[in-house]
Amino acid sequence: EDQVTQSPEALRLQEGESSSLNCSYTVSGLRGLFWYRQDPGKGPEFLFTLYSAGEEKEKERLKATLTKKESFLHITAPKPEDSATYLCAVQAGRSSNYKLTFGKGTLLTVNP
Amino acid sequence: EADIYQTPRYLVIGTGKKITLECSQTMGHDKMYWYQQDPGMELHLIHYSYGVNSTEKGDLSSESTVSRIRTEHFPLTLESARPSHTSQYLCASSEWTGLTGELFFGEGSRLTVL
Repeated sequence: EDQVTQSPEALRLQEGESSSLNCSYTVSGLRGLFWYRQDPGKGPEFLFTLYSAGEEKEKERLKATLTKKESFLHITAPKPEDSATYLCAVQAGRSSNYKLTFGKGTLLTVNP
Repeated sequence: EADIYQTPRYLVIGTGKKITLECSQTMGHDKMYWYQQDPGMELHLIHYSYGVNSTEKGDLSSESTVSRIRTEHFPLTLESARPSHTSQYLCASSEWTGLTGELFFGEGSRLTVL
C-alpha cells in the first residue's frame, strides 16, 4: 500500500529563517510526486511535480527536491505570506490514472 | 488561472436532509474528482469521473452519489445526511493527460450535519 509521511506536522519560523519540510514515501513504482499549498479554508493549490530522483524545481522562495525515498521542500528566507499547510502527494506507476496518495501536510507559520 | 467553483461554501443542516454540493469548472477538463478532508487529515478520494456519463467510486467509501451529465458540472448528493458526513468536500479537475497529479481544486464546501 502506498504511504506518504510528512514531517514535521507543524513548523514555526521567523521571517527570513530558512528551513525544509520532509515528505517520505513508500510506493510501488513512482510516476510522480506533487507538492501543494493549502491556505486555511481553501482548496489546495498545485506547486510542483517531480518525476525522478535528482530532479529539482524552484518557484520564488521554494525549491523542491526528490530522492528515491523522500522529497524536501526547502523554503529560503520565508515571509509571513508563505504561511500555509504544504501537502505532498504521490502517484504510483502501477495504479490507474486517478489515484493520488496524500500526506497529512505540514502546517508552516512564518512570524514577522 | 484555475476556474473551478463550489457552492455552497458552508452548509449547516439537520440529520436526514438531502443535500447537493455543486461543482463547476470552465476549463473544459474531462477529469473531475471529489475529495473529502477532515482537519489535520489526508485528502481522500471519494468519487471521480473521466468524462460525461462516466463516474467511479474512489478509495474512501462514501454514501454520497455523483453525476456527470455535462462536462463542466459534477454535483455530489447525499440523500439523507448524518453527523458522520460532517467534513470538508473538495472538488477538483485535471486535463486528460497520462499524469493526473496536477489538479485544480475549488475552495471547498464545508458541511456540518447536526
